[in-house]
Amino acid sequence: ETGVTQTPRHLVMGMTNKKSLKCEQHLGHNAMYWYKQSAKKPLELMFVYSLEERVENNSVPSRFSPECPNSSHLFLHLHTLQPEDSALYLCASSRGLAETDTQYFGPGTRLTVL
Amino acid sequence: AQKVTQAQTEISVVEKEDVTLDCVYETRDTTYYLFWYKQPPSGELVFLIRRNSFDEQNEISGRYSWNFQKSTSSFNFTITASQVVDSAVYFCALKAENTGFQKLVFGTGTRLLVSP
Repeated sequence: ETGVTQTPRHLVMGMTNKKSLKCEQHLGHNAMYWYKQSAKKPLELMFVYSLEERVENNSVPSRFSPECPNSSHLFLHLHTLQPEDSALYLCASSRGLAETDTQYFGPGTRLTVL
Repeated sequence: AQKVTQAQTEISVVEKEDVTLDCVYETRDTTYYLFWYKQPPSGELVFLIRRNSFDEQNEISGRYSWNFQKSTSSFNFTITASQVVDSAVYFCALKAENTGFQKLVFGTGTRLLVSP
């Protein structure tokens, strides 16, 4: 089984919809991350959770709301998004937040906001 | 501030050619880590290598090799005898002590297209 899974893989939503992205890691890791990947821009770190506590929130608009119910699952709740929020959303996990802890990524959710 | 520059936006080669992907980084930290990831069309970033700032030894793994030079702040990646399956976007990334080791700073990526 792949280490980090994400569902759905593709999502199309209107600006007034509410949807959620799900990430699950099967690696026994304690830290999880959300990244946004837009065309022609570097990956942007959005949120970091360690042991279910948020440790980083990179000035992300409130229309993105993360949730980490346990160390294996991470959600990104979406509401009233804008077309510029269309991007690939990548989830990652790592053993912890130490310098030697490598982040492992899921396949991403391709989000299109109409 | 930390920064990673991948000046090559796209590289096209023919199968069996060698290709080098450049990565230049900026950091004031003495302790930092450098990474390469591969992103095939499926979207998932695949971890390739991690190198810490105190280890300048070059590394070889099969057809892949990495050249880390602190003097030029570069961490270049060479694929020998490229194959069509190497076609992907490759990202160089950095994490450093001052910004917190949870923060990976990525370059904009280099798209490699290997033709048969």
